[in-house]
Amino acid sequence: EDQVTQSPEALRLQEGESSSLNCSYTVSGLRGLFWYRQDPGKGPEFLFTLYSAGEEKEKERLKATLTKKESFLHITAPKPEDSATYLCAVYNAGNNRKLIWGLGTSLAVNP
Amino acid sequence: NAGVTQTPKFRVLKTGQSMTLLCAQDMNHEYMYWYRQDPGMGLRLIHYSVGEGTTAKGEVPDGYNVSRLKKQNFLLGLESAAPSQTSVYFCASSQPQGSRQFFGPGTRLTVL
Repeated sequence: EDQVTQSPEALRLQEGESSSLNCSYTVSGLRGLFWYRQDPGKGPEFLFTLYSAGEEKEKERLKATLTKKESFLHITAPKPEDSATYLCAVYNAGNNRKLIWGLGTSLAVNP
Repeated sequence: NAGVTQTPKFRVLKTGQSMTLLCAQDMNHEYMYWYRQDPGMGLRLIHYSVGEGTTAKGEVPDGYNVSRLKKQNFLLGLESAAPSQTSVYFCASSQPQGSRQFFGPGTRLTVL
């Protein structure tokens, strides 16, 4: 069964304390892995798309990486404004052709 | 360029009432989607459309209907609301299926 699992469910960091969020997936035909950020009361906001194992993308303090089984979102020296829920989704281009969403990791960065 | 907009932002219904949620996008996207987001359940696809005049069922279509009469608009209808439909509803749009989706700000619906 196609599945996306994110861990941890929640993470609390001190400002400046780097860490990583994990997104592991099992799909029959990966055609893209997406990272989104969602602030409370708002819609998800696109961060990155990764298409093949070994690919990396960066934006400010965030860096996303992809392997054949999982993706990591590395947060370097986070600031309180990085507090949000981070969502991972995988596009399955097999028979179903749908976007499969993880449940997200809720990140809180304390000043 | 407003992106994806949703109307209304909040709504409270009584069981059995009907309502329509409106989604509009100004990016000329072909694909549009309706999701619901519930605690512990994540984002679940209700219905989607691959172009003007087309609609298709997603994961959780029961109790909802949709229409895409114009390319820029995607309507989600609840004919007889139930408490189980209390949720936050998000509309999204994209170009080719599988490309990044742009989300609206959401509609918070409570059914009493």
